[in-house]
Amino acid sequence: NAGVTQTPKFQVLKTGQSMTLQCAQDMNHNSMYWYRQDPGMGLRLIYYSASEGTTDKGEVPNGYNVSRLNKREFSLRLESAAPSQTSVYFCASNLDRGADTQYFGPGTRLTVL
Amino acid sequence: LAKTTQPISMDSYEGQEVNITCSHNNIATNDYITWYQQFPSQGPRFIIQGYKTKVTNEVASLFIPADRKSSTLSLPRVSLSDTAVYYCLVGANTDKLIFGTGTRLQVFP
Repeated sequence: NAGVTQTPKFQVLKTGQSMTLQCAQDMNHNSMYWYRQDPGMGLRLIYYSASEGTTDKGEVPNGYNVSRLNKREFSLRLESAAPSQTSVYFCASNLDRGADTQYFGPGTRLTVL
Repeated sequence: LAKTTQPISMDSYEGQEVNITCSHNNIATNDYITWYQQFPSQGPRFIIQGYKTKVTNEVASLFIPADRKSSTLSLPRVSLSDTAVYYCLVGANTDKLIFGTGTRLQVFP
């Protein structure tokens, strides 16, 4: 099992550009999550998907959109990137949204100039 | 949402036992206590989870008093590779978890 995979690992954007961060899991998990982590800070939830076909906002959803393409894949889109979105983005998954172990991907380091 | 308070940083030496205490005065009846570990440039990794009393696995022990208003993560005989940030989380649903800034543990030789 590869677990949770994320692409790309690194990305540099200019202000106003768009991009999509990809996440996939091969553990047959129902729930998937997108977090951001700013330097020296904890993780903050952007969006989550409790099951295929559903998505909900987390703590910091502004400026982002998500798509739960199928059970395996959950993508995060920045329509018009801003310097404030410079961060490390982590995708996670677990069996369900209850108090269940989350498995995290390796992260995508995004810089917006 | 239960808020947690834990020390910003701790130092230890190899071979020592490390205890990291987390305060969560507003814990709800349905909330679990979960600890994650994060190394630089990696995603967090689950360490241990408990509801009450004591839980032990191959990596750590988690002590939870009867009132559940605090918990202590115990790492026996730490090594250099245990240098990481440790997060205490409290909640019943993983979409409501708040990671906070965690405790930065530095282990010295």
